[in-house]
Amino acid sequence: GAGVSQSPRYKVAKRGQDVALRCDPISGHVSLFWYQQALGQGPEFLTYFQNEAQLDKSGLPSDRFFAERPEGSVSTLKIQRTQQEDSAVYLCASSLDRDKAFFGQGTRLTVV
Amino acid sequence: SQQGEEDPQALSIQEGENATMNCSYKTSINNLQWYRQNSGRGLVHLILIRSNEREKHSGRLRVTLDTSKKSSSLLITASRAADTASYFCASSGNTPLVFGKGTRLSVIA
Repeated sequence: GAGVSQSPRYKVAKRGQDVALRCDPISGHVSLFWYQQALGQGPEFLTYFQNEAQLDKSGLPSDRFFAERPEGSVSTLKIQRTQQEDSAVYLCASSLDRDKAFFGQGTRLTVV
Repeated sequence: SQQGEEDPQALSIQEGENATMNCSYKTSINNLQWYRQNSGRGLVHLILIRSNEREKHSGRLRVTLDTSKKSSSLLITASRAADTASYFCASSGNTPLVFGKGTRLSVIA
């Protein structure tokens, strides 16, 4: 596609509900990143894939967060038993290498 | 948190003036990048400077890098109202891109 596509754009979840956020990277991009951005803050790194391999998941805040990229293309970020502090914008980015990254519009998650 | 710091946190200038934003980072880098984010949108890559470069230009943007001080600056010349956005630096090294907290720039027409 023309750019990185994320869905849904907005998600409201009840506390305790599981959510799945999808990222379609630019075709052919090897690297894929997930970031969490709280209001008024910079993006915080969550996890990084190179093709289907998850090379770094040091930023995932708890074991309720899980990410996968099984075929080296589309990625899903899953949050189990959502809590209010999970409310944020979740950004996905892809890159040919680890230089210039192309970001999607993000998914705004609100946990109520 | 590995995040770096941008300075100032917020900047308000008149159209036509220059805007300077500074960034500090914490670890060794291969390159440093600057991104722009309009409210409610994704980040857009502006410019990348490699660790062996000291200055780089792109249109109205000028970036400097001082690896001895672990700092960078972004200068936007002849600012326009459309430049109003948040600007983030991001360091790239052994870890994936690490972003600072951003500078919110307001350009008043």
